[in-house]
Amino acid sequence: DIQMTQSPSSLSASVGDRVTITCRASQGISNYLAWYQQKPGKVPRLLIYDASTLHSEVPSRFSGSGSGTDFTLTISSLQPEDVATYYCQKYNSAPATFGGGTKVEIK
Amino acid sequence: EVQLVESGGGLVKPGGPLRLSCAASGITLSNAWMTWIRQAPGKGLEWVGRIKSKTDGGTTDYAAPVKGRFTISRDDSENMLYLQMNSLKTEDTAVYYCNTWENRGGINYDHWGQGTLVTVSS
Repeated sequence: DIQMTQSPSSLSASVGDRVTITCRASQGISNYLAWYQQKPGKVPRLLIYDASTLHSEVPSRFSGSGSGTDFTLTISSLQPEDVATYYCQKYNSAPATFGGGTKVEIK
Repeated sequence: EVQLVESGGGLVKPGGPLRLSCAASGITLSNAWMTWIRQAPGKGLEWVGRIKSKTDGGTTDYAAPVKGRFTISRDDSENMLYLQMNSLKTEDTAVYYCNTWENRGGINYDHWGQGTLVTVSS
């Protein structure tokens, strides 16, 4: 099975900072990659699918890129409401494995 | 509006069975690929398994840790999704979510239930 590795596992940044989270697949998955945001005590919500397509209700400061094995989620200007754990997920085939998550906090 | 409501969680002893249900409204489950995802306390998301839509064969796939113990099924007449869990282990303790993606006008939307907690403990 393909493994999904996220890094870092946690980060602390200041409001307004640019934040980058990476996700690496152990084999190529084309662009079948989604990013989710999960705020404390809440259900996850889809941010990005097909590696770079922003969900319609997601702020434009979020962006995704990558293809094959290496992917990136970028928050261009971190806001207090972005405090959450972020997960990548492959969905080219079963199992649709999640990455381990990246916890984002405000410094 | 799509709504998914899970039920059936609770406390069960190791080795025991439990069946979770996911009631759907605003979506016809037989037309959707439905997924179960779980989250152990304080841990990350874990894909459990899925059932494809009827038109895509209605087949199921499972994650390695649950294969052979968990079964996903659907009742099309009731628009219900099920997760039958047998031979439960303490490591199956988690909040279980049913989930689907819906494509509307070329845009993907994800839908989640509120989750149901399963605790496996003696």
